Amino acid sequence: DIQMTQSPSSLSASVGERVTITCRASQIISSYLNWYQQKPGKAPNLLIYAASSLQSGVPSRFSGSGSGTDFTLTISSLQPEDFATYYCQQSYSTPLTFGGGTKVEIK
Amino acid sequence: QLQLQESGPGLVKPSETLSLTCTVSGGSISSSSYYWGWIRQPPGKGVEWIGSIYYSGSTYYNLSLKSRLTISVDTSKNQFSLKLSSVTAADTAVYYCASDRIYASGSYQDYWGQGILVTVSS
Repeated sequence: DIQMTQSPSSLSASVGERVTITCRASQIISSYLNWYQQKPGKAPNLLIYAASSLQSGVPSRFSGSGSGTDFTLTISSLQPEDFATYYCQQSYSTPLTFGGGTKVEIK
Repeated sequence: QLQLQESGPGLVKPSETLSLTCTVSGGSISSSSYYWGWIRQPPGKGVEWIGSIYYSGSTYYNLSLKSRLTISVDTSKNQFSLKLSSVTAADTAVYYCASDRIYASGSYQDYWGQGILVTVSS
C-alpha cells in the first residue's frame, strides 16, 4: 500500500494568513493526488484533484501543486469558513489511501 | 448534480454482517465516467477506503477487508451495496458512499453521501 504522510498534523492560523499543508507519498504517484476538506459531522468535500486542478465551485484561494512524491495545498488567505481538517489522497493505485489529516484551527 | 444516500442499520452485533445500500439520484449509476465507492471513518480518526464497483460489476477491494467484503450493484434501482461480514468493534465507523470520477489512470470522489454511523455492539 502507498503511505501518505501529511504535515503538520495541526496548525493554528489567523484569518487572512497564508497556509501551506504538505503531503508526501511513500512512492512516486505522478500527479494522482487529491485534496479534501472535512468539517465536523460532514462528509469530506473535494477541493483539488490531479494535484493542481481546482474542483468546480471551490474558491480560488485554494491551490495545489507538486508531482512525484511531494505535494502542497495552499490557502492564500484563510477565511473563517476554512477552519476544518484537510486530507490528501492518492489514486495512483488501489487501495486508495488518505493522509492522516491536518486540522486547521483558529489562532 | 449527483446525490447519494446511505441506508441501513445503525447497530450491528459482533460476528454478524453489516449491510448498507447507497441510492444514487441525479444521474445514472451506469455512467461510464464513474466507479461507485465506499469509504469509512472511525469516530475521531482518519479516512479509510473500503472498495469500489463499476456498473458492469467490476470491483476493487481494500485487501485488508477483502475476505469479509462484498460490494454489489443494482443498475435497475440505481443502487450499490456493501456487505461486511464477521464484524467487530473495530468496524464501528461512519460509512460513506461516494461517486468515484475516473480520469486518465486516476480518480477522485466528487460527490458523497451524508454518511451513516454504524456501531458494532451487543
